[in-house]
Amino acid sequence: RKEVEQDPGPFNVPEGATVAFNCTYSNSASQSFFWYRQDCRKEPKLLMSVYSSGNEDGRFTAQLNRASQYISLLIRDSKLSDSATYLCVVNAWEYGNKLVFGAGTILRVKS
Amino acid sequence: EAGVAQSPRYKIIEKRQSVAFWCNPISGHATLYWYQQILGQGPKLLIQFQNNGVVDDSQLPKDRFSAERLKGVDSTLKIQPAKLEDSAVYLCASSTSGTSYNEQFFGPGTRLTVL
Repeated sequence: RKEVEQDPGPFNVPEGATVAFNCTYSNSASQSFFWYRQDCRKEPKLLMSVYSSGNEDGRFTAQLNRASQYISLLIRDSKLSDSATYLCVVNAWEYGNKLVFGAGTILRVKS
Repeated sequence: EAGVAQSPRYKIIEKRQSVAFWCNPISGHATLYWYQQILGQGPKLLIQFQNNGVVDDSQLPKDRFSAERLKGVDSTLKIQPAKLEDSAVYLCASSTSGTSYNEQFFGPGTRLTVL
């Protein structure tokens, strides 16, 4: 089983739609969770950290479910500029405290 | 504030040749990372430096890959000899410290094609 698994997509949605991605992780001792965004042929950039209580940043909401070992990202009112690959990232001491990246979920927002 | 700088941006070599990549992190960032990102996959950590010391190189193929950060600032990653499967984007990142809570800032990457 991969350490971090994501549906590769692509998710094709119209502008204004709400879209959600899930990510599962295998190590129950994982402590830190993030979503990074990567535009085509660009470097990854931190979108948001994911906290146990859930957190929101504008149109983006991240949730963590430790019992089921999954993380979600919800994007409301999708914009064309949201088109990108969304990388789920997890850290655990068992990984030597390094970040482990999922393969990413591709989102395409169309007008 | 200047971001992470990498060069070259693109490199095409033949298998068995050698290649080197350079990275200059954000000023003041003590931690530097080299990642390999193969097409369709997420970045995979190759090596992590804290100042000029190696923190983690468990996934670095040491028979062909080497990296150094001699003065605790910029870093080079070398592949010698290259194989076809080394074709990937090599990303350098830096952060203020090595804890997982600190955001990692990535450079634009070097796209390597091995023919």
